[in-house]
Amino acid sequence: DAGVIQSPRHEVTEMGQEVTLRCKPISGHNSLFWYRQTMMRGLELLIYFNNNVPIDDSGMPEDRFSAKMPNASFSTLKIQPSEPRDSAVYFCASRLGLATANEQFFGPGTRLTVL
Amino acid sequence: DAKTTQPNSMESNEEEPVHLPCNHSTISGTDYIHWYRQLPSQGPEYVIHGLTSNVNNRMASLAIAEDRKSSTLILHRATLRDAAVYYCILGGYNQGGKLIFGQGTELSVKP
Repeated sequence: DAGVIQSPRHEVTEMGQEVTLRCKPISGHNSLFWYRQTMMRGLELLIYFNNNVPIDDSGMPEDRFSAKMPNASFSTLKIQPSEPRDSAVYFCASRLGLATANEQFFGPGTRLTVL
Repeated sequence: DAKTTQPNSMESNEEEPVHLPCNHSTISGTDYIHWYRQLPSQGPEYVIHGLTSNVNNRMASLAIAEDRKSSTLILHRATLRDAAVYYCILGGYNQGGKLIFGQGTELSVKP
């Protein structure tokens, strides 16, 4: 298996632009998680899905952030409009089920820089 | 969310054992103890997890105190490749399926 796939790996954009990050979970995994990592705040859970349904979005910073999972093999995290403080590494992770006893697999991350 | 406390950093010598401590005094009976690590410029990866009994796998061992209020991740022979941030996380029913990462312990390994 190719693991969790994220694209793009690097994104540089200007303040005010729309940014879309993409994630393909491991085949057969039905839980998907979006995290953000910065030096100041560490690794934060933004939102997670189970069976394509958002379960908990309490970590989404504000209305500028939105996430979708239209099918079992694809999810997007969108920031509109982007701001410099959104600069971070965004990780997508997937897991079989909601049981934390199952191993959670992380993608390589998308490094976002907002100028 | 149930909280864990870890030292910010630790040092080890190559090929020596490393004991990474974690305190979780507010752990509940159904909480699993998970360890993940993050190598430089990579996403976190699973290391080991346990509930009550000590656990061993090819990467590490997990020693859980009898009262479950603390645990220790043991790397039996540290290599340079083990230099990473190690996260101790409580997960289970009370966390609703979420893994919430703290600051972790940054392990450096000296040749």
